[in-house]
Amino acid sequence: GAGVSQSPSNKVTEKGKDVELRCDPISGHTALYWYRQSLGQGLEFLIYFQGNSAPDKSGLPSDRFSAERTGGSVSTLTIQRTQQEDSAVYLCASSSGEANQPQHFGDGTRLSIL
Amino acid sequence: AQSVTQLGSHVSVSEGALVLLRCNYSSSVPPYLFWYVQYPNQGLQLLLKYTSAATLVKGINGFEAEFKKSETSFHLTKPSAHMSDAAEYFCAVSDRVSGTYKYIFGTGTRLKVLA
Repeated sequence: GAGVSQSPSNKVTEKGKDVELRCDPISGHTALYWYRQSLGQGLEFLIYFQGNSAPDKSGLPSDRFSAERTGGSVSTLTIQRTQQEDSAVYLCASSSGEANQPQHFGDGTRLSIL
Repeated sequence: AQSVTQLGSHVSVSEGALVLLRCNYSSSVPPYLFWYVQYPNQGLQLLLKYTSAATLVKGINGFEAEFKKSETSFHLTKPSAHMSDAAEYFCAVSDRVSGTYKYIFGTGTRLKVLA
């Protein structure tokens, strides 16, 4: 499809395991963003990519969180040694990188840590 | 840095009544402003955007918003609420940070439509 695609849509894992979340942005979009949305909460900014580089990692909550983007396209958000407080919906968005253009969001990955 | 404030985390209206969701921004330069809607178990969907072409912006699903510089506001309205409008609504502004653009989101307003 033409939209932002995220996988998996749902992920249940045990505390202490590592997880990888994938985001496939809209073709041609140079900017890619990751957000976290806890139950009933707003959007918490995690990290931003322009191309393959991440000029803004200020939102990553701890060193257990990392993200990469390869080929200016697909991005992976990795959470190591998951904790129960990591349970949330992780949203990815992409944009053309211009200020007057909106972000386009995927449907998110719902992560549940048991 | 710019910021966005959404007054009212929860708003309830009767079906057929006016919807008014408030958004105020802080900016020292003309902003780019956006309203998004989020339905349960979905990502955010763009409703409309303000990019300085016109102060009254029309969006999808009958929503519109008016940019008022003097009030630093960008409130979202719809003349007649439908049950299908029940969702969470987010106001956002784009901000230039270190040469690139970052989006600042409000905390959201959950709209409930009463039959």
